[in-house]
Amino acid sequence: GAVVSQHPSWVICKSGTSVKIECRSLDFQATTMFWYRQFPKQSLMLMATSNEGSKATYEQGVEKDKFLINHASLTLSTLTVTSAHPEDSSFYICSARDGQRHTDTQYFGPGTRLTVL
Amino acid sequence: GENVEQHPSTLSVQEGDSAVIKCTYSDSASNYFPWYKQELGKGPQLIIDIRSNVGEKKDQRIAVTLNKTAKHFSLHITETQPEDSAVYFCAASIRSSGNQFYFGTGTSLTVIP
Repeated sequence: GAVVSQHPSWVICKSGTSVKIECRSLDFQATTMFWYRQFPKQSLMLMATSNEGSKATYEQGVEKDKFLINHASLTLSTLTVTSAHPEDSSFYICSARDGQRHTDTQYFGPGTRLTVL
Repeated sequence: GENVEQHPSTLSVQEGDSAVIKCTYSDSASNYFPWYKQELGKGPQLIIDIRSNVGEKKDQRIAVTLNKTAKHFSLHITETQPEDSAVYFCAASIRSSGNQFYFGTGTSLTVIP
């Protein structure tokens, strides 16, 4: 149980294009999902918190117009990197909380490697 | 806000030996402390967690201890195996604050066969 998937697992795009990353909770309802960014050999940096049906809360320094987050259903959240540039290249990871179990635990997806040329 | 420090940043042990990773936190309101294992190119996987009303928790070869007074918690892995090699992250969170996790900087564990 408590499986989170991400799609795609990796993506290469040209500078200036937009990329959408999907995060799905496969066997539970995720009332809250989180998006992280991770640079090589570094810790996870929280980008934003999204609650189903409401606007995401972005961390300080994260551009909300550049990183669009949508949490339209209890099992799906999407992160769209708009007008991507090489400095956006990173490992993006989502996590989800099981809203029905009311636990503190976050279950992480496998991550998406974004490379912007 | 909460600040989590993790030590050591790298750790090498012989197969069969024990490994200990330590974390400290700053906010006494933190009440949930998970540990994650991350293999190269993959997402973090929860391996064990502990809540503030418990001092110790064990799951086979893995144990976590919590000292609320000193505001530190530790991960103990006994009888290490090569497949334990990975990066381990500790985290702290406060349920009332929306469950945001504050992560440590990670420990790269290498188990030498």
